[in-house]
Amino acid sequence: RKEVEQDPGPFNVPEGATVAFNCTYSNSASQSFFWYRQDCRKEPKLLMSVYSSGNEDGRFTAQLNRASQYISLLIRDSKLSDSATYLCVVSTSGSARQLTFGSGTQLTVLP
Amino acid sequence: NAGVTQTPKFQVLKTGQSMTLQCAQDMNHEYMSWYRQDPGMGLRLIHYSVGAGITDQGEVPNGYNVSRSTTEDFPLRLLSAAPSQTSVYFCASSSVGAVGEQFFGPGTRLTVL
Repeated sequence: RKEVEQDPGPFNVPEGATVAFNCTYSNSASQSFFWYRQDCRKEPKLLMSVYSSGNEDGRFTAQLNRASQYISLLIRDSKLSDSATYLCVVSTSGSARQLTFGSGTQLTVLP
Repeated sequence: NAGVTQTPKFQVLKTGQSMTLQCAQDMNHEYMSWYRQDPGMGLRLIHYSVGAGITDQGEVPNGYNVSRSTTEDFPLRLLSAAPSQTSVYFCASSSVGAVGEQFFGPGTRLTVL
């Protein structure tokens, strides 16, 4: 079983739609959680950290469920520019060695 | 600030050749890492460094060497290229207190024939 699992998609949604991605992790000792965004043939960029109480950044909302060991990302009012691959990242410590990247969920927002 | 820079952007090697991928950052970050990204797989850590003179192995270190003589630079050396090393390579940096908040370079697309 992969340490971090994501539905690879692709998710094809119309502009203005709300879309949600889930990510499950297997290590219950995981401490920190992040969502990264990667545009086609570009480098990953940090989208947002995920806090225990959940957090929001504009149209983006991240949630953490420690009991079920998953994190989620909700995108409201999707824009064409949201088309990208979204990577779930989990850390079990403060070391780069304990940072695990999911393989990503591809989102295409259609006009 | 240039952030994290990588050279070259593209490279084609023949099996058995060696080369060095360059990485530099101007954010004074202590942490620097090298990842490879293959289709359908997440980023996998090759080597990382927590400061000048200190390096350690990641998940997939075989066939690669690193050194960190300065805070700014973290080159990755392929000793004897193999087709299995065909991949996209990303260098990243972060501060010690925020390892999960990595800044990535633009990547190097390497093909080994």
